[in-house]
Amino acid sequence: ELKVEQNPLFLSMQEGKNYTIYCNYSTTSDRLYWYRQDPGKSLESLFVLLSNGAVKQEGRLMASLDTKARLSTLHITAAVHDLSATYFCAVDMGGGADGLTFGKGTHLIIQP
Amino acid sequence: DTEVTQTPKHLVMGMTNKKSLKCEQHMGHRAMYWYKQKAKKPPELMFVYSYEKLSINESVPSRFSPECPNSSLLNLHLHALQPEDSALYLCASSLISGRGFGGANVLTFGAGSRLTVL
Repeated sequence: ELKVEQNPLFLSMQEGKNYTIYCNYSTTSDRLYWYRQDPGKSLESLFVLLSNGAVKQEGRLMASLDTKARLSTLHITAAVHDLSATYFCAVDMGGGADGLTFGKGTHLIIQP
Repeated sequence: DTEVTQTPKHLVMGMTNKKSLKCEQHMGHRAMYWYKQKAKKPPELMFVYSYEKLSINESVPSRFSPECPNSSLLNLHLHALQPEDSALYLCASSLISGRGFGGANVLTFGAGSRLTVL
């Protein structure tokens, strides 16, 4: 059974600070996804990481993937309030449409 | 069109009612999904349709009945639900990309249907 673990599950931080969310998964996969969900809203795709060593950046967010360690990170640089949301990592088993298995999510609150 | 459209946005039903959730996409995606999300929890996969055929059923109770009339539409028929079935039901779609092609299976999610069972 594929397990996806995120930590921390809850994070309160101040604007301007840096922090990292970690995502570990239990099986070999080279396809890792990060989604954002605002309260009461749907999921928005942020990053797709498709190979070992992949790094993607968008604004203040940067995601990376280490398939050997089965670890992905989502790094937040100089946080701003608008980044407050729940962030999910997700893994698929590859080979067609198997759906994604999500981590429990990291509820991020950024305070002024 | 890059959206997945779900209707209704909100649904309240009694335990004896029969209702349906609808999902539509016109992105040419050949895989469609139903996920269930309870408050403060991650989405949980319920069903996957691949080329309009049911390919994954994650041991979902029979009171939930999916249907894929064509490649653009996905329905979820609801009957005799329980209060614990109250949740946000998310539809998603994706291209089908095999591992051999190294492609991504990015799911595009709809806004969801929030279901309350009384």
